[in-house]
Amino acid sequence: ETGVTQSPTHLIKTRGQQVTLRCSSQSGHNTVSWYQQALGQGPQFIFQYYREEENGRGNFPPRFSGLQFPNYSSELNVNALELDDSALYLCASSLDLAGTGELFFGEGSRLTVL
Amino acid sequence: QQQVKQSPQSLIVQKGGISIINCAYENTAFDYFPWYQQFPGKGPALLIAIRPDVSEKKEGRFTISFNKSAKQFSLHIMDSQPGDSATYFCAAAPWSGYNKLIFGAGTRLAVHP
Repeated sequence: ETGVTQSPTHLIKTRGQQVTLRCSSQSGHNTVSWYQQALGQGPQFIFQYYREEENGRGNFPPRFSGLQFPNYSSELNVNALELDDSALYLCASSLDLAGTGELFFGEGSRLTVL
Repeated sequence: QQQVKQSPQSLIVQKGGISIINCAYENTAFDYFPWYQQFPGKGPALLIAIRPDVSEKKEGRFTISFNKSAKQFSLHIMDSQPGDSATYFCAAAPWSGYNKLIFGAGTRLAVHP
């Protein structure tokens, strides 16, 4: 059983650019959630995907968008990057919407915006 | 109403001591309260969780105490070990939306030998 894997692990972008982050969910999990963790803070919920559709969104602007693919892997896209977008982006998978309550997190993608 | 307030921000405990971290919430719709543990360079991992039908849950050295009327819950780590040194996050959500957790700001725990 493979865990949640994210890529890339680190990346540097400049303000105004666009970025795509990728996540492979744990085997058998069909629900993916994305979180933003600023330095020294707790993770903040961005959005969730269930069976390829967005199923809930936190307080993030539309320039944060996502996709989920038939194999349940997922992408997070951020357009028009701002300095405040610098953070660790975490992907978490879970088994269905009514599962055990446990989220399985990846190690994250650390984005630096200059 | 969506906030989860966590304290203290940092905590130093001697090996063998008790570590206590507290959280408070406002939203009465929350009925799922997990604690996550995060080591440097790693993603958070579920440590222990509670639902409001019980006031306490114990798993090994880790105990959650829950006070529904005060809208507070806490994590107790008994016999703290240097390997417990990590950042701990409390979180809350409605059980129906447990994937959409509201996290506290975290407590950095250091257990000294």
